[in-house]
Amino acid sequence: EAGVAQSPRYKIIEKRQSVAFWCNPISGHATLYWYQQILGQGPKLLIQFQNNGVVDDSQLPKDRFSAERLKGVDSTLKIQPAKLEDSAVYLCASSLEGNREGGFEAFFGQGTRLTVV
Amino acid sequence: AQKVTQAQTEISVVEKEDVTLDCVYETRDTTYYLFWYKQPPSGELVFLIRRNSFDEQNEISGRYSWNFQKSTSSFNFTITASQVVDSAVYFCALSVSQAGTALIFGKGTTLSVSS
Repeated sequence: EAGVAQSPRYKIIEKRQSVAFWCNPISGHATLYWYQQILGQGPKLLIQFQNNGVVDDSQLPKDRFSAERLKGVDSTLKIQPAKLEDSAVYLCASSLEGNREGGFEAFFGQGTRLTVV
Repeated sequence: AQKVTQAQTEISVVEKEDVTLDCVYETRDTTYYLFWYKQPPSGELVFLIRRNSFDEQNEISGRYSWNFQKSTSSFNFTITASQVVDSAVYFCALSVSQAGTALIFGKGTTLSVSS
């Protein structure tokens, strides 16, 4: 079974530039998450989708970050304009969920390491 | 509010030693789930175990075992006879139904096993 696919693996940009990350979840997984992992810390949720609807985006810096999941499958996360503090690994995860009971394990991609200089 | 605390930042052991990684969680929800994930140098988070709040039975899987104690809000992870391949960052995480299903992670414990 194919895992969660993310691209690119690495990205270096200058501050104030824009960048986009792509995620393809495991087939059949209704829920998709984007997490931000700053060096030395645990992942922090940015946004959660259930199919193509947003469940939780309370921690997404909406002035510069945006995400979409058209057709309830692939997702893109965009940062515009980037700041130095956005340097982090951006992890995409997916899980099998048809409701909000929780408890389903999330499967993670290898992440995109973003460096903003 | 929900929170996960992993007080041990780094642990170093020699191969074949047993090691316990501590995890303390906070939540007012009565229904919640606890997880452990392993993050090797490749960066991908690997699922190890899930426990729901109604099941306090300890679990053993090979060299891994987990001790869940609601009385102390702890979900500790023990590796018996550690191996070099166990070297990684280990994360404890919490999920509560009332807040969606996303994981709330601790800061992680870096385990280094030397030969």
